[in-house]
Amino acid sequence: GAGVSQSPSNKVTEKGKDVELRCDPISGHTALYWYRQRLGQGLEFLIYFQGNSAPDKSGLPSDRFSAERTGESVSTLTIQRTQQEDSAVYLCASSFIEGPFNYGYTFGSGTRLTVV
Amino acid sequence: SQQGEEDPQALSIQEGENATMNCSYKTSINNLQWYRQNSGRGLVHLILIRSNEREKHSGRLRVTLDTSKKSSSLLITASRAADTASYFCAPSGAGSYQLTFGKGTKLSVIP
Repeated sequence: GAGVSQSPSNKVTEKGKDVELRCDPISGHTALYWYRQRLGQGLEFLIYFQGNSAPDKSGLPSDRFSAERTGESVSTLTIQRTQQEDSAVYLCASSFIEGPFNYGYTFGSGTRLTVV
Repeated sequence: SQQGEEDPQALSIQEGENATMNCSYKTSINNLQWYRQNSGRGLVHLILIRSNEREKHSGRLRVTLDTSKKSSSLLITASRAADTASYFCAPSGAGSYQLTFGKGTKLSVIP
């Protein structure tokens, strides 16, 4: 597509429920990234995909968080048994990697998750 | 990956004035990127400057890079209310596909 698409745009869920957040990257972008941004804070790296594999998942905050990517395209971030501290905007970005260098991300508009 | 540190944390100026934001980083880079974020949503890529460049322009944006001081600056000329946003720098090194973002500079342009 023309840009990075994230869905849903907003999600309100009850504490303890599972949620799935979706990201559709730009076609042809091999790298895909998930970040989290709590209110008034900076961006917190969660996980990075190169193709369908995740060489760096060091940022996932707990085993309640998982992510997958299929077909070198769509990625899903799943949060199980949500807690109130999971409330944040979840941002997805994709990029085209040329050789060993990254020349810039394209971000989606994010999913604002509120856990009540 | 390494994180850039933006300075100042907040900046408030009148419309029409110039705004300057600074970024410092710690290790060698291949390029450095600047992003803007409006209203806590997705960041927008503004400009990329490569390590062998000293200055780059894009419209009202001017970016400088001093690799000896490991610093960069972003200048927005003739600011507008619509420039109100948070601005982030992201240094990128070889093999460092993941970008790390600092807390940014929060710019407020008062009409």
